[in-house]
Amino acid sequence: KAGVTQTPRYLIKTRGQQVTLSCSPISGHRSVSWYQQTPGQGLQFLFEYFSETQRNKGNFPGRFSGRQFSNSRSEMNVSTLELGDSALYLCASSRGGGGPVDEQYFGPGTRLTVT
Amino acid sequence: DAKTTQPPSMDCAEGRAANLPCNHSTISGNEYVYWYRQIHSQGPQYIIHGLKNNETNEMASLIITEDRKSSTLILPHATLRDTAVYYCIVRPRLHYGGSQGNLIFGKGTKLSVKP
Repeated sequence: KAGVTQTPRYLIKTRGQQVTLSCSPISGHRSVSWYQQTPGQGLQFLFEYFSETQRNKGNFPGRFSGRQFSNSRSEMNVSTLELGDSALYLCASSRGGGGPVDEQYFGPGTRLTVT
Repeated sequence: DAKTTQPPSMDCAEGRAANLPCNHSTISGNEYVYWYRQIHSQGPQYIIHGLKNNETNEMASLIITEDRKSSTLILPHATLRDTAVYYCIVRPRLHYGGSQGNLIFGKGTKLSVKP
């Protein structure tokens, strides 16, 4: 079974621009979560989507948004980029329910550099 | 904030068992213990989870104390490829129709396997 894929793997943007990152979950997984990893703050949760609806949200400004499509693929968008948005953005997929636990499986991440 | 405490770093000789401790003294009865690891610049990798019984899979063993206030992840024969940051995470049981919630990562333990 193919793992979680993220595109692009690397991205360089300029302050003020916007960016869209894409995530394709493991086949059959209906939940997609996004995380940001920086050296200073570590791994932080952005949001979770399940059945095209945002089910959970972390403490990030409104410049960070996401969506999920009917095939469970997800995108996240960051508008008006700031230097501090430079980070590794990770996507994780899971079944989304059906048992007492729901392991999340991560993709390789997208490395975003804002200059 | 993370509900777990881990040593910041550990060393292990190649071929020996690596025992990574985790304290979760405030864990509640419906919370699971999860372990993930992150090899440099890659996405975190799911290792194992447990509730109260010891668990074993092809990657590792998880030993949870009877009072559930601490646990140990055991890599039985560490290799150089096991060098990574290991995260111990506490997550609530998934309820029907709900989300198990996001993963809350602490700083983890940096395990260095040496030849």
